[in-house]
Amino acid sequence: DAKTTQPNSMESNEEEPVHLPCNHSTISGTDYIHWYRQLPSQGPEYVIHGLTSNVNNRMASLAIAEDRKSSTLILHRATLRDAAVYYCILRDGASGSARQLTFGSGTQLTVLP
Amino acid sequence: SQTIHQWPATLVQPVGSPLSLECTVEGTSNPNLYWYRQAAGRGLQLLFYSVGIGQISSEVPQNLSASRPQDRQFILSSKKLLLSDSGFYLCAWSGMIGANQPQHFGDGTRLSIL
Repeated sequence: DAKTTQPNSMESNEEEPVHLPCNHSTISGTDYIHWYRQLPSQGPEYVIHGLTSNVNNRMASLAIAEDRKSSTLILHRATLRDAAVYYCILRDGASGSARQLTFGSGTQLTVLP
Repeated sequence: SQTIHQWPATLVQPVGSPLSLECTVEGTSNPNLYWYRQAAGRGLQLLFYSVGIGQISSEVPQNLSASRPQDRQFILSSKKLLLSDSGFYLCAWSGMIGANQPQHFGDGTRLSIL
C-alpha cells in the first residue's frame, strides 16, 4: 500500500472545527482513502472513506484534493470525546491483500476544553 | 445496527497456559471476520481472517489458531502461550473483503503473559 504522511499531533479547542491533513503523494488510481481513529485502550473506529469525491457522514467530512495527493478529515465541531489518534490509510482496490489494514503513526488530536 | 463483542477485556495468563478469546457479531449475516494483534506503540498485524464458517486463513506463522464454529462467532486460541503472545488483540468484521469496505472493531482484549 502507498504511504501516508500525517502530523504527529494537533490541538483544537472544544466546539471548533478541526482539519486533520494527510499527504499521500504516491497514491494510485485504485487506492481508497480511509480514516480511522483510536481512543486509548479501545479498538480502532472507522470514520470515513472515499475515492475521488468529497464525502460526508454523521461523524466527519473527507475533502480530497483534485490530484488526490492529499486529503483532509474535517470534524465540524470537536468535542472532548474526539480526542484520539487519527489514522489516514490507503487501501488498494486492485490488490488481493485488501483485507489487511495497515496503520502508520497517525495524528494525536488533543481537544482543549 | 451491527455490534461486535469481545471478551474478556483484560487477561493475565502464565507462560504455557492455554488461551481462548471469543468474538461475536450481531446484526449482520455472513460477515468477514478478522483477528488482529496490536503491540504497544506499533501498528496492526493481521493474524487470521475468515470469509465463512469453518474457513480460516492465517496471515503469519505463529503460536495461535482461530476457529469459526458459527456464522457470527470467531475464536482465537492457543494451546501454550509464549511471552511474545502479549499484546492487544482485536476482532473486526466487514461486510465484504475489499478496499472500499470498512472494518469495524471490537474493544479488544489486552493480554499479558507472565
